[in-house]
Amino acid sequence: SAVISQKPSRDICQRGTSLTIQCQVDSQVTMMFWYRQQPGQSLTLIATANQGSEATYESGFVIDKFPISRPNLTFSTLTVSNMSPEDSSIYLCSVERETILHEQYFGPGTRLTVT
Amino acid sequence: TQLLEQSPQFLSIQEGENLTVYCNSSSVFSSLQWYRQEPGEGPVLLVTVVTGGEVKKLKRLTFQFGDARKDSSLHITAAQTGDTGLYLCAGAREGYSTLTFGKGTMLLVSP
Repeated sequence: SAVISQKPSRDICQRGTSLTIQCQVDSQVTMMFWYRQQPGQSLTLIATANQGSEATYESGFVIDKFPISRPNLTFSTLTVSNMSPEDSSIYLCSVERETILHEQYFGPGTRLTVT
Repeated sequence: TQLLEQSPQFLSIQEGENLTVYCNSSSVFSSLQWYRQEPGEGPVLLVTVVTGGEVKKLKRLTFQFGDARKDSSLHITAAQTGDTGLYLCAGAREGYSTLTFGKGTMLLVSP
């Protein structure tokens, strides 16, 4: 498994501002992912954070709105830019230790409320 | 259309009852995982199945992978209040580096 921490755990932000969420892993991992989740619902993949290159975004998500950094194999950030109330959600990072079984390990999540 | 259909969406039962959650697809998966998520936490991996027909047991939880690797089920025997949570199935397809998640099953076990 892997120990993953996220900061902040929750935040309340005003519309039009930006928030950067940090994800730290206790060991080097190849794959890191960012998801969005409404409480009680399933996960929606935002992007794959690639180390040393631009993130790979899923349909419906763009770099200008959700810029991602991955400076090394243990750390990544997701920024939610120019926020609106529709961005209120739980944001989760996850990692994959090996790429055969694709087992993912998740951080505790960041609960974002935009007012 | 949802690639992985998970059912039921909600399940409210009494302690001691049995239940089964289903995950179905028309696609073949090289591996399939089940996760459980409790409020305020991230999903936690319960099991991975990779072989068609495979059955894995984790205490009172039994996981099955369909022969054709297109479907899976999770059976809980004698549910306990600690089993309450959101159960998610997720599949990995050949040639894809990301997981496909089902919509989840919210399970509430009452004393």
